[in-house]
Amino acid sequence: QVQLQESGPGLVKSSENLSLTCNVSGFSLSFGFYWGWIRQPPGKGLEWIGNLHPKGTTYYNPSLESRVTISMDTSHDRFSLNLKSVSAADTAVYYCVRRGGNPSLFDSWGQGTRVTVSS
Amino acid sequence: QTLVTQEPSFSVSPGGTVTLTCALTSGSVSTNYYPTWYQQTPGRAPRTLIYSTNTRSSGVPNRFSGAILGSKAALTITGAQAQDESDYYCALYLGRGIVLFGGGTKLTVL
Repeated sequence: QVQLQESGPGLVKSSENLSLTCNVSGFSLSFGFYWGWIRQPPGKGLEWIGNLHPKGTTYYNPSLESRVTISMDTSHDRFSLNLKSVSAADTAVYYCVRRGGNPSLFDSWGQGTRVTVSS
Repeated sequence: QTLVTQEPSFSVSPGGTVTLTCALTSGSVSTNYYPTWYQQTPGRAPRTLIYSTNTRSSGVPNRFSGAILGSKAALTITGAQAQDESDYYCALYLGRGIVLFGGGTKLTVL
């Protein structure tokens, strides 16, 4: 059974870059599927950030595209999120996910990691 | 800018039936948008309930069902139970790899 685990700093200063990593177990990234990130600000709804396929295809939320990069290390079965120039609006729980057999189905989720942007 | 809208909140009595909806601010929802429904309880990651409009995810009770009703995607809970009190989110595929979530519906069972 695939398991995902996020890691990274819980506190980031405003205007700096946020970097998170998702370690995957029970499944090899090189087998396929899209892998990505979803976030949830405190008390608010879910926001899709983007997806990456091991063959290189990426899709990003247009509202974040200028600041987001998702990358992958298939040799270590992990993928990463980099979000540039963060602000308080980027404070959220960040989930790493696997996209399933259809494009709006996220069938595996990490437990989530809380990131706070401080001024 | 297209948005996905859901009822902010809904209430249902135990044993009752409730239908939550998922709409687009421009246009109608169809199966081409691959409507997916997620359930989330506080402090937990979301759980997939329904995908591809009406397919229940593994382990999801059959009191949950999905459909297209008119111009919206719909999630119906028939015979609501106390443990169904949660936040429910729909997700739609807008094409070109882009996914949009609705704002969520907070369901109260009382």
